Amino acid sequence: GENVEQHPSTLSVQEGDSAVIKCTYSDSASNYFPWYKQELGKRPQLIIDIRSNVGEKKDQRIAVTLNKTAKHFSLHITETQPEDSAVYFCAASSMNSGYSTLTFGKGTMLLVSP
Amino acid sequence: DARVTQTPRHKVTEMGQEVTMRCQPILGHNTVFWYRQTMMQGLELLAYFRNRAPLDDSGMPKDRFSAEMPDATLATLKIQPSEPRDSAVYFCASGLAEGTRRYEQYFGPGTRLTVT
Repeated sequence: GENVEQHPSTLSVQEGDSAVIKCTYSDSASNYFPWYKQELGKRPQLIIDIRSNVGEKKDQRIAVTLNKTAKHFSLHITETQPEDSAVYFCAASSMNSGYSTLTFGKGTMLLVSP
Repeated sequence: DARVTQTPRHKVTEMGQEVTMRCQPILGHNTVFWYRQTMMQGLELLAYFRNRAPLDDSGMPKDRFSAEMPDATLATLKIQPSEPRDSAVYFCASGLAEGTRRYEQYFGPGTRLTVT
């Protein structure tokens, strides 16, 4: 089955700096890669996703890149703000019993200091 | 802004008691997923349904956990009997299995379960 590795597990940055979170996946058939943001005590929220026919996608201060050859994808947050502090999860689609599910990374706790 | 809803939001129970968690998927979504989140294991997939039919529940301890979808607007996850190691946050998520938005999953607020 699919295996998703996420690094780093924690990331501390100063407000205004950029933050990068990286994930690798094992199943070359995976074709959908979402990122979720989870604030303390809240639900994971889908913030951006990328499909395998695209190499990069951007939405305001966040962007995701995908390298299918190397089987890794990354989340980039520019001009970080304290409200970006949260746990971020990457995921990759995988086929399970003939149906598609998501396999999640372990998460990265991002702390943005004012 | 349609959202997945879950009840109860918090549940404290004693070991051995039955626990039932409920989920209402987003109207029109045809897939429902149950996840368990702990610090140690992260997000684990327990079971999922498509068009109310269970597709896979291999992530669940079969002897004590059961998941059902009585109708398109309600999914349930039951634990009987509950054990302290079941303490976790249980999330329900829903999505569409076809079209350009396939694979997308939207999470509910979760049920925080504490078994003493």
